[in-house]
Amino acid sequence: DIQMTQSPSTLSASVGDRVTITCRASRSMNNWLAWYQQKPGKAPKLLIYKASSLASGVPSRFSGSASGTEFTLTISSLQPDDFATYYCQQYDRYSWTFGQGTKVEIK
Amino acid sequence: QLQLQESGPGLVKPSETLSLTCTVSGGSMISTSYYWGWIRQTPGRGLEWIGSIDYAGNTFYNPSYRRQVTISIDTSKNEFSLRLTSMTATDTGIYYCARRGILSGFDPWGQGTLVTVSS
Repeated sequence: DIQMTQSPSTLSASVGDRVTITCRASRSMNNWLAWYQQKPGKAPKLLIYKASSLASGVPSRFSGSASGTEFTLTISSLQPDDFATYYCQQYDRYSWTFGQGTKVEIK
Repeated sequence: QLQLQESGPGLVKPSETLSLTCTVSGGSMISTSYYWGWIRQTPGRGLEWIGSIDYAGNTFYNPSYRRQVTISIDTSKNEFSLRLTSMTATDTGIYYCARRGILSGFDPWGQGTLVTVSS
């Protein structure tokens, strides 16, 4: 199985900051990677799929990219609604694995 | 729009079997473009995919749960179900159902249901 290592585990930032979260795969994989946002008491919400495709209704300040086994979620200008926990998820054939999560906190 | 809703007991005794149902509304489950899945979130292991099923009943399970899990589907009722045997305290957590596109992630999700394993 492919393991996903997500970093950092916690990130402190201010409104307007550019934020980057990274997920590294344990081995080479195709670009079948998704990013989710989760707020307390709520289910995760799909932000990005296939590494860089924006899900329907997601603001354009969110973007995803891939380079080899490293995948990145970028928030170009952090908004108050963006303070949450973010997860990556790889899908490889018929197996899906989540990263450990990155909590984005108010600085 | 498509909505999913989990239902089932909130409390299960150790060694017993958990049975949950996910009811889908606002659309048909019959499509070659989607899978229907169960994901859980526990304090010890975070988010974990448990397994998925397509409309024809083909199942795909996380190898970690293969001995414990059964997922079934009833498209006439627009629902699919999870059965997890031999529950222990470490299985306590929030259980979600969700739809997954063949080329995309899980979307939408149900609101989740808290399952506690305790005597």
